Amino acid sequence: DTGVSQDPRHKITKRGQNVTFRCDPISEHNRLYWYRQTLGQGPEFLTYFQNEAQLEKSRLLSDRFSAERPKGSFSTLEIQRTEQGDSAMYLCASSSGGRPQETQYFGPGTRLLVL
Amino acid sequence: GEDVEQSLFLSVREGDSSVINCTYTDSSSTYLYWYKQEPGAGLQLLTYIFSNMDMKQDQRLTVLLNKKDKHLSLRIADTQTGDSAIYFCAERNYGGATNKLIFGTGTLLAVQP
Repeated sequence: DTGVSQDPRHKITKRGQNVTFRCDPISEHNRLYWYRQTLGQGPEFLTYFQNEAQLEKSRLLSDRFSAERPKGSFSTLEIQRTEQGDSAMYLCASSSGGRPQETQYFGPGTRLLVL
Repeated sequence: GEDVEQSLFLSVREGDSSVINCTYTDSSSTYLYWYKQEPGAGLQLLTYIFSNMDMKQDQRLTVLLNKKDKHLSLRIADTQTGDSAIYFCAERNYGGATNKLIFGTGTLLAVQP
């Protein structure tokens, strides 16, 4: 399977704990995106990378959130001091930049539940 | 502003056509996408259209774009029970400062056998 993969698929944590999610994009894609989806809503943009550079961050990405893509391949999203409001599905997508239509392909998501 | 709107729910019988509607607000060059999400899963890209086009057809899927009204629709011909899912439209400004997708709230399609 050469699609976008995410790990873990599910995470249950207690409020105040730190969590880290991983995304492996499609291998030849240079752009990687993180989105958050809460119940009954569409995905909302969090941040995106072109290669290893983080080029845009949403206002949704508070100081407790940090994302990295150190070698321009996989990415991690860390949430520190989790809150119940962080419970959501975290989706990763990748694309091949440089094409006008730039289709983003999504992974299966990591579902986070903060107790 | 950035706002993509969709109707929340659509119910059809198997074999009928489904039409899912979406309105968007971006006024510059825009790509518009349709994604499908099954329960507990990620998003599957179905099709896309650029804002200078009126229509795009891909097998059972037909996308119609009314640029004047900023209205987008996805028609699924011969709807099957496997088409039951949430359908999201999304827009992306082409040539702007951002590459992010802006999603609607999704339309739940229920196909009755």
